[in-house]
Amino acid sequence: EVQLVESGGGLLQPGRSLRLSCTASGFTFGGYAMTWVRQAPGKGLEWVGFIRSRTYGGTTEYGASVKGRFTISRDDSKSIAYLQMNSLKIEDTAVYYCSRDASGVLPRAFDIWGQGTMVTVSS
Amino acid sequence: QSALTQPASVSGSPGQSITISCTGTSSDIGGYDYVSWYQQHPVKAPQLMIYDVSKRPSGVSNRFSGSKSGSTASLTISGLQAEDEAHYYCTSYTSSKIVLFGGGTKLTVL
Repeated sequence: EVQLVESGGGLLQPGRSLRLSCTASGFTFGGYAMTWVRQAPGKGLEWVGFIRSRTYGGTTEYGASVKGRFTISRDDSKSIAYLQMNSLKIEDTAVYYCSRDASGVLPRAFDIWGQGTMVTVSS
Repeated sequence: QSALTQPASVSGSPGQSITISCTGTSSDIGGYDYVSWYQQHPVKAPQLMIYDVSKRPSGVSNRFSGSKSGSTASLTISGLQAEDEAHYYCTSYTSSKIVLFGGGTKLTVL
């Protein structure tokens, strides 16, 4: 079964750091780009960022609200994508989803999604 | 860049057809054929319904169709069913190499 499972969410104070993991199974992880999307409580979806497959350099792109604070990486040997979140703000509170991108080179079609992990930033 | 513009809500009766619009600019929808639509039921993860403007992933009902004219994309659901009641989000790739989401549209099946 093709599956993505996020982990690592929790409650933490503003300014702290947190790393989320997205573990893939049921498909050749290294052949796909991966995207992170978040959803604040009661709000819509927001694109966080994207990492290309190694075939396309494994490079990353980020949304404006997280650029410079968040970093996406991947470990193809473990089939895991990571979202490192630094200098967290209260407005980063959200459910964070990872998703598989059907394209390898640019983010355009997120065809498999995890169940999400909640991150709460509060003082 | 601002989010893509969607109506906050649409409604329709079972069996009818509805269309949800998604308006952007020449830097996103108008410049690329990389528009996708996602369905999200309450407390569930989103599901891809349409990609590359009008392509349907395997397993998605052919009652769902997508189109684009200029900087506005549209999702049409025909033969409306109760289980179609959900939030729908559009996305587009942009000239800034990022993805924008629409604000979301709540579909109510009357």
